[in-house]
Amino acid sequence: QQQVKQSPQSLIVQKGGISIINCAYENTAFDYFPWYQQFPGKGPALLIAIRPDVSEKKEGRFTISFNKSAKQFSLHIMDSQPGDSATYFCAARKWDSWGKLQFGAGTQVVVTP
Amino acid sequence: DTEVTQTPKHLVMGMTNKKSLKCEQHMGHRAMYWYKQKAKKPPELMFVYSYEKLSINESVPSRFSPECPNSSLLNLHLHALQPEDSALYLCASSQPGRQTTDTQYFGPGTRLTVL
Repeated sequence: QQQVKQSPQSLIVQKGGISIINCAYENTAFDYFPWYQQFPGKGPALLIAIRPDVSEKKEGRFTISFNKSAKQFSLHIMDSQPGDSATYFCAARKWDSWGKLQFGAGTQVVVTP
Repeated sequence: DTEVTQTPKHLVMGMTNKKSLKCEQHMGHRAMYWYKQKAKKPPELMFVYSYEKLSINESVPSRFSPECPNSSLLNLHLHALQPEDSALYLCASSQPGRQTTDTQYFGPGTRLTVL
């Protein structure tokens, strides 16, 4: 049973365009929502994270939007670049869980030149 | 330094072999994790160590045996694996505790192939 649902499964965007990835969750006990970026053959790397008391967080070209009432959050990649081509995972974690992350299924993003 | 190192990068083993995966971090983290990742899938948690004690075992088969000899090192001992155990094995570390929300830093992984 997947606790975090992620869509789309894959995404193709032109250079300079906006990539949008959506995630939804059911468990209201989640209180930390990170996004990880993973390149082929590498481990996931933390991209950006948000807590539910904040509706938006921006770091460079990456923005998380968080809708607590809808139990949804999304990642926006502005001015997408070919170097952004990777798999993106959203995740969620409960405060009282020894750090256990619940990952979404992942979105493969391809940015065309 | 936010680096988690893993050795070896690649490992091929037969079903009767015994091998070990190693993970090391020098960030002063006292929580360390083992994950298994199949192609095009998210990482799946296997084990969590907090202050060198096993906190979570996600019902992993006994052919996988974790060990945390000190606060910087984490091993995964492998014995009598099956071909379906072939995957990328990831190590991660963070600050410890049942109530932590600290960032987990992942290593590059060990690509394991079981013949």
